[in-house]
Amino acid sequence: AQTVTQSQPEMSVQEAETVTLSCTYDTSESDYYLFWYKQPPSRQMILVIRQEAYKQQNATENRFSVNFQKAAKSFSLKISDSQLGDAAMYFCAYRRNYGQNFVFGPGTRLSVLP
Amino acid sequence: DGGITQSPKYLFRKEGQNVTLSCEQNLNHDAMYWYRQDPGQGLRLIYYSQIVNDFQKGDIAEGYSVSREKKESFPLTVTSAQKNPTAFYLCASSPRTATFEKLFFGSGTQLSVL
Repeated sequence: AQTVTQSQPEMSVQEAETVTLSCTYDTSESDYYLFWYKQPPSRQMILVIRQEAYKQQNATENRFSVNFQKAAKSFSLKISDSQLGDAAMYFCAYRRNYGQNFVFGPGTRLSVLP
Repeated sequence: DGGITQSPKYLFRKEGQNVTLSCEQNLNHDAMYWYRQDPGQGLRLIYYSQIVNDFQKGDIAEGYSVSREKKESFPLTVTSAQKNPTAFYLCASSPRTATFEKLFFGSGTQLSVL
């Protein structure tokens, strides 16, 4: 069974600085998708960024980018120019191709310090 | 606007009582999901459904039941057999055949035991 690990339960970053959240996953599949979701205090889940495993190029969305290392099964999220609104729980998720289930990691709570 | 509506926002259960959480979507998505969120454990899959009148157990289905009589509706019943029901419950949906598609989430229901 696939598992997703986020080894940092909590992280903090100074406003305007850069922070990287770690995610590793375990799978025997070669074709899959990876996602980062954000859950602010409202508890509404928001997609931050997604990556197709067959693409070598790392995905980027404005201030958010990933470092996808397929061989190492690592999928870290980098947040640049951190803003107060980035404070939230961040969940890494995996979904195999043609799979129905999303497997989520335990989350990392990010605090942004003014 | 298209989206997923969960109700109620807060729900209280008495000992031995069954309670039903509502989830409705107008996104015309085939697949619907129920996740349970406990602090520090991320999201765990309870049940999912790919088409009407069909559903599969997830990782923690014991003490829960679902139905899928209509494409837009996927209610979750928390039965008296679920001994530790206090948690945040999230309903989600996605297009069945588009694996790259993200999960669309509702705003959640917080269930507590009286």
